[in-house]
Amino acid sequence: GNSVTQMEGPVTLSEEAFLTINCTYTATGYPSLFWYVQYPGEGLQLLLKATKADDKGSNKGFEATYRKETTSFHLEKGSVQVSDSAVYFCALPAGGTSYGKLTFGQGTILTVHP
Amino acid sequence: SAVISQKPSRDICQRGTSLTIQCQVDSQVTMMFWYRQQPGQSLTLIATANQGSEATYESGFVIDKFPISRPNLTFSTLTVSNMSPEDSSIYLCSVPDRGGETQYFGPGTRLLVL
Repeated sequence: GNSVTQMEGPVTLSEEAFLTINCTYTATGYPSLFWYVQYPGEGLQLLLKATKADDKGSNKGFEATYRKETTSFHLEKGSVQVSDSAVYFCALPAGGTSYGKLTFGQGTILTVHP
Repeated sequence: SAVISQKPSRDICQRGTSLTIQCQVDSQVTMMFWYRQQPGQSLTLIATANQGSEATYESGFVIDKFPISRPNLTFSTLTVSNMSPEDSSIYLCSVPDRGGETQYFGPGTRLLVL
């Protein structure tokens, strides 16, 4: 099946700093790729996704580009805010006959200080 | 996107007891998924709840420990049976979008077993 390796953390930044969280994947074919975010005390929310190579997903100032050459989907934000403090998960479909199932990375804890 | 609710949002239970978690979706869906998120960990799929048939369990999870019901296309329950402290986790239900790739998650049930 498909798999994902995610930069672990935790990551601690000051407000307005630049953020990169690395994610690389192994997959059959070119599945959609996802970033999910989990704010403190909440469930997972879809942050952004890309459905094909060279696509750029974006939302709330976050971006990630589907790079098939490097099998990567790194998450970036130019200027983080305290409210971005959360756990970020890279994910992709599990593959094979696993309809609807997702495989998640280990998660990266982001803490942003004022 | 689907709106998903879970009950209870959190609970503290004694070892040896059982807890049933409910998941309600605002639209009819064929498949619902149950995930476990142990403290500081990523998400692990427990099982797929199919309406009108037995749930399909992932490796390492068994029906006796995690019985699942799926009485209709908008509702499912997961029971955590004979609990031990190792069952302390966040339990999340999710549903896929029509394409079967993007998952939408409930807010989770935070379980602490003493």
